[in-house]
Amino acid sequence: AQKITQTQPGMFVQEKEAVTLDCTYDTSDPSYGLFWYKQPSSGEMIFLIYQGSYDQQNATEGRYSLNFQKARKSANLVISASQLGDSAMYFCAMRVAGGTSYGKLTFGQGTILTVHP
Amino acid sequence: DAGVTQSPTHLIKTRGQQVTLRCSPKSGHDTVSWYQQALGQGPQFIFQYYEEEERQRGNFPDRFSGHQFPNYSSELNVNALLLGDSALYLCASSLEGGAVQPQHFGDGTRLSIL
Repeated sequence: AQKITQTQPGMFVQEKEAVTLDCTYDTSDPSYGLFWYKQPSSGEMIFLIYQGSYDQQNATEGRYSLNFQKARKSANLVISASQLGDSAMYFCAMRVAGGTSYGKLTFGQGTILTVHP
Repeated sequence: DAGVTQSPTHLIKTRGQQVTLRCSPKSGHDTVSWYQQALGQGPQFIFQYYEEEERQRGNFPDRFSGHQFPNYSSELNVNALLLGDSALYLCASSLEGGAVQPQHFGDGTRLSIL
């Protein structure tokens, strides 16, 4: 079975500063994908960034980067130059390539990020 | 390029009733997944449809059923509604292609059971 753990229920950051949201995962499948989603209070789930288990380099998408440490089974999201619009719930999720769990996303409990002006 | 669209946005039902939620996938996507998200929690996988068949199912009772149409759109049906079914129901679409394909979500349907 797959498991995602997000240990930070809430995080605060000053506008224009960087923030790291933690995510650890557990799976026995060697092939998997790790995803981060943003969910504003309005409810829609917005895809931010993806990292494959065989990718050699950390993924980056604009102000988002994923700090992937395979040996530690961690996939932390780094948001640089925080903006007020970044205030939202952030979910880490995983999808494995095979077995009976193929296809489904397993989500963590989420981290609420608040950006202060 | 239209993203994932869900209808209705909000729905209020009473215990014992039945409900149908609808989802149109993002253009070009052929796989649809449904998730239930209780307040303050991460989404929980209900099931996934591909080629008009249920390919995978999470730990949800048979009261939850679905369908995928030839145009890849999908429906989620819930029978004999319980108070605990109150949640945000999210539809996600993706391309068939394993773990590398991100799932793109709609805005969800907020279901309230009285």
